[in-house]
Amino acid sequence: KAGVTQTPRYLIKTRGQQVTLSCSPISGHRSVSWYQQTPGQGLQFLFEYFSETQRNKGNFPGRFSGRQFSNSRSEMNVSTLELGDSALYLCASNGQANMNTEAFFGQGTRLTVV
Amino acid sequence: DQQVKQNSPSLSVQEGRISILNCDYTNSMFDYFLWYKKYPAEGPTFLISISSIKDKNEDGRFTVFLNKSAKHLSLHIVPSQPGDSAVYFCAANRDGNEKLTFGTGTRLTIIP
Repeated sequence: KAGVTQTPRYLIKTRGQQVTLSCSPISGHRSVSWYQQTPGQGLQFLFEYFSETQRNKGNFPGRFSGRQFSNSRSEMNVSTLELGDSALYLCASNGQANMNTEAFFGQGTRLTVV
Repeated sequence: DQQVKQNSPSLSVQEGRISILNCDYTNSMFDYFLWYKKYPAEGPTFLISISSIKDKNEDGRFTVFLNKSAKHLSLHIVPSQPGDSAVYFCAANRDGNEKLTFGTGTRLTIIP
């Protein structure tokens, strides 16, 4: 079955702009998590959605938001972009509600803010 | 506050030898631990996990050891192969419904 798909793969934006990233989980998976990866910081958890509800949220400012649709596809939005938002954004889907199960990651969206 | 720490940013090991990757955590409420491997330009892939009720879990060449009193876990890869060269992340979770907390990663390089 198809894996987790993230679009776009690469994105260049200007400071102050806003951006929307998309994630299509594995078919049948209802949990979608978003992470930010930067050098030296590892994977920082942004938020997790399960059946269209945000279940968990990380310590990011309100400029970072997300949502999940009825087909489990998820979008992440960052408003008023800052240079420090340049990172690899990864999405992961879980086949079960329990986060102790294996998460399947997409290839990520590389966002560069100039 | 980095609750999961991987203090070695990089590690080089000769092919065929043992690779040991370490991870420390500070939150005693964590009860499940996972290791992920990441190649460049790809998303992380799950490798192996361990519950806090165990102190060892083995899967082929990969073994994870958990020392709860020291709040320390390690991943052993024996024997190391060139394809093992990647960045390894450890992650921890508390009570399955909560988020995964990842470490900063260790870049493992296997020298042929």
